[in-house]
Amino acid sequence: GEDVEQSLFLSVREGDSSVINCTYTDSSSTYLYWYKQEPGAGLQLLTYIFSNMDMKQDQRLTVLLNKKDKHLSLRIADTQTGDSAIYFCAESAGYNTDKLIFGTGTRLQVFP
Amino acid sequence: GAGVSQSPSNKVTEKGKDVELRCDPISGHTALYWYRQSLGQGLEFLIYFQGNSAPDKSGLPSDRFSAERTGGSVSTLTIQRTQQEDSAVYLCASSPVTSGANVLTFGAGSRLTVL
Repeated sequence: GEDVEQSLFLSVREGDSSVINCTYTDSSSTYLYWYKQEPGAGLQLLTYIFSNMDMKQDQRLTVLLNKKDKHLSLRIADTQTGDSAIYFCAESAGYNTDKLIFGTGTRLQVFP
Repeated sequence: GAGVSQSPSNKVTEKGKDVELRCDPISGHTALYWYRQSLGQGLEFLIYFQGNSAPDKSGLPSDRFSAERTGGSVSTLTIQRTQQEDSAVYLCASSPVTSGANVLTFGAGSRLTVL
């Protein structure tokens, strides 16, 4: 069935890189997504990657996709305190659906 | 409006009462989603609409939960005979129909507390 797994917590020092990992199950997912949720707010799209790509870079963000292992990661370079939030990865649930399945979310805490 | 609007932002109710949560999507967005976020849990899919139809309502936890969408716009999620385990933040999102990535825009959520 559909399942997206993430580790629950990550703590990093300001200025270091953060790497948030995600594993998914549906190999037919066309796109994979990263969303960010700040306290008391809804989710905001950070970036997404098309399934035929293995890497996408967008300023401080780098997304790596390993389709063979169904593993997705989000690297944040030069992590700042403003990056403290919950990060969710998401996959589409299949070819003929617009349903997105979200992971459990990783809470990133950045300390000075 | 400019974003997805949800109301109420906070709702406290007594066990056994019915509640209605409202979502006003971005104008022109044909897809509308409901998710539930419980403390310590990820986002749990409840239901989504394409226009006024719900192709997938597989995530509704029980028959106490129902949702409708009218005029391809506003949606209401109704929970009957609320239970304490229904306490959560209910998030609504909408997206346009495109052939590319399905980008969801989320509302700020409705926090439901069942006493």
